[in-house]
Amino acid sequence: NAGVTQTPKFQVLKTGQSMTLQCAQDMNHEYMSWYRQDPGMGLRLIHYSVGAGITDQGEVPNGYNVSRSTTEDFPLRLLSAAPSQTSVYFCASSYSGGRGYEQYFGPGTRLTVT
Amino acid sequence: GDSVTQMEGPVTLSEEAFLTINCTYTATGYPSLFWYVQYPGEGLQLLLKATKADDKGSNKGFEATYRKETTSFHLEKGSVQVSDSAVYFCADTLGGSNYKLTFGKGTLLTVNP
Repeated sequence: NAGVTQTPKFQVLKTGQSMTLQCAQDMNHEYMSWYRQDPGMGLRLIHYSVGAGITDQGEVPNGYNVSRSTTEDFPLRLLSAAPSQTSVYFCASSYSGGRGYEQYFGPGTRLTVT
Repeated sequence: GDSVTQMEGPVTLSEEAFLTINCTYTATGYPSLFWYVQYPGEGLQLLLKATKADDKGSNKGFEATYRKETTSFHLEKGSVQVSDSAVYFCADTLGGSNYKLTFGKGTLLTVNP
């Protein structure tokens, strides 16, 4: 199993550009989430999905869109990049069978917006 | 809302020293509690977890006990190694909402030989 994969690993955008961060998992997990990691802030939840076709907002959703057309994929779209979106983005997935199941994290995408 | 507070770093220790990283949570009810570790340049990986009061999670010499009376989940290790140098995150999640972790801000641990 590859686990959770993310592409690209690094990206530089200019203000106003759009892009999609890709996330895929091969563990047949129902739950998937996107977090951003900023220095001194820990990880904050952007959007999450509890299954194909179902998504919802997390703590910091503004400026981001998601969709979940398949169980495996959960892309994150930046609509019009801003310097405040400079961050490291992590995708995670989890089994939905009950309490206490861990989230599995991808290796991250480091995004810089100039 | 729910929040997780962990001791601020950075923490610098010598090899074989005792480690404690404090963590407290505010969620009511019975959250599941986790410690994740992030090695340089990598994503997060689960270190240990506990799902009910008085449970002790353990892995790689690290331990943490779920204390409902003090809403705490402190991480401990009796003898740290250089290879333990990493950022440690405490996190919680309510019930079966495994897609919705609330993280502390992270504690950077550096262990010197």
